[in-house]
Parts: sequence; C-alpha cells; structure tokens
Amino acid sequence: SQTIHQWPATLVQPVGSPLSLECTVEGTSNPNLYWYRQAAGRGLQLLFYSVGIGQISSEVPQNLSASRPQDRQFILSSKKLLLSDSGFYLCAWSVGLNRTEAFFGQGTRLTVV
Amino acid sequence: QKEVEQNSGPLSVPEGAIASLNCTYSDRGSQSFFWYRQYSGKSPELIMSIYSNGDKEDGRFTAQLNKASQYVSLLIRDSQPSDSATYLCAVIAGNQFYFGTGTSLTVIP
Repeated sequence: SQTIHQWPATLVQPVGSPLSLECTVEGTSNPNLYWYRQAAGRGLQLLFYSVGIGQISSEVPQNLSASRPQDRQFILSSKKLLLSDSGFYLCAWSVGLNRTEAFFGQGTRLTVV
Repeated sequence: QKEVEQNSGPLSVPEGAIASLNCTYSDRGSQSFFWYRQYSGKSPELIMSIYSNGDKEDGRFTAQLNKASQYVSLLIRDSQPSDSATYLCAVIAGNQFYFGTGTSLTVIP
C-alpha cells in the first residue's frame, strides 16, 4: 500500500532563517506531488505541484521554492522565512491528474517567530 | 471567482440527525469531486469521491453530484459526535486540485 511521510511535524523558526520540509511517498511510482499551505482558519492554498522529477509548477509567487530531486521526494524550501510564512504545510500525492484522489501527509505546523 | 465555494458554517446538528454539507464549483469541465474530513490540527483525510451525476453511498455518508447545477453535497446520516470536524470539498479542474475553505460541523450529543 502507498504511504506518505512528511517531516518534521512541528517547527519553530526565527524570521530570516532558512526552511526545508521534506516529503516522501512509498509504494507508488511517478506520483503527482503537491505542497499546500493552510493558514489558521483558512482553506488550503496550493503552493507547488509536480508531475515528475525536476518538473515544478508554482501557483503563488512568494519566497518559497520546491524541488523534486527524486521520483518520490518533494522538498519545500525558503532562504529567508517571513512571519507570514507561518501555517500548516501539507504534502499530498495522487496518481494521474484526473479521477484520482489526493492523499495527504501528516502536515508540518510551522511557526515563524 | 473561487473555483470551489462552501458555506464556512459553523453547522451544528444534534446527535442522530442528518448533516447536509454543500459545495459549488465554477469549472463546468470538472470531472472529479471529493469530500475530505479534517479534524482540528490534523491533515485532511478522504472520505468520499464521486464522478457521475447522482448519489453515491458509503455507510452513513452519501455524496450527491449535479453537474448541470455545478453542485456537490455530502449527507451524513445518524451524525455522531466523532463526525465533528471541518469538511473540505475538492474538485479537479484544469489538471489541478482545488479545495473549498471547508464547512465546520459540530454534532451535539
């Protein structure tokens, strides 16, 4: 069966520090991968999605970036965090883009102080 | 215009009642529709998917899709306190997932 791992679960970082969140998927090949952010009391905002190694699409201009160095690995990064980057970050995967469900990792609660 | 819209609630129903959650979407070409449940502080978990017009039942949950009206709903029968959560509607449009902001449901014992 497929599983998705996302870490760390919680993170407190000072303003201006770098960020690296990692997500890996097991049990499937060539998944579509997604990074979402959910601010407190808000909906899911799609940040990046990837349909293959090295293929990244960005939905929202910001100081975040994403990379997919391996088929089942998706990384969210920032060189300098802002207070507004605080939120609940969720990695998700799906097989194909139509008629297939997306499954989420456990999420990372990021607090920028 | 938002791709997916939901009433944010909160929606409160007594235990044992039917909870009705609604969602509208803007892209007429959308083919895939999903309902996720999200407990406070947790990640969303998939509870239902529906692709064709009509009803789809799974235990106490029934998803309803009306593509002509661009409307998706979720009915929860015999609501339990454990159903208290935020319910997210999701739609695939233009090869991307779009989520509504969610409806908060509280089931009162």
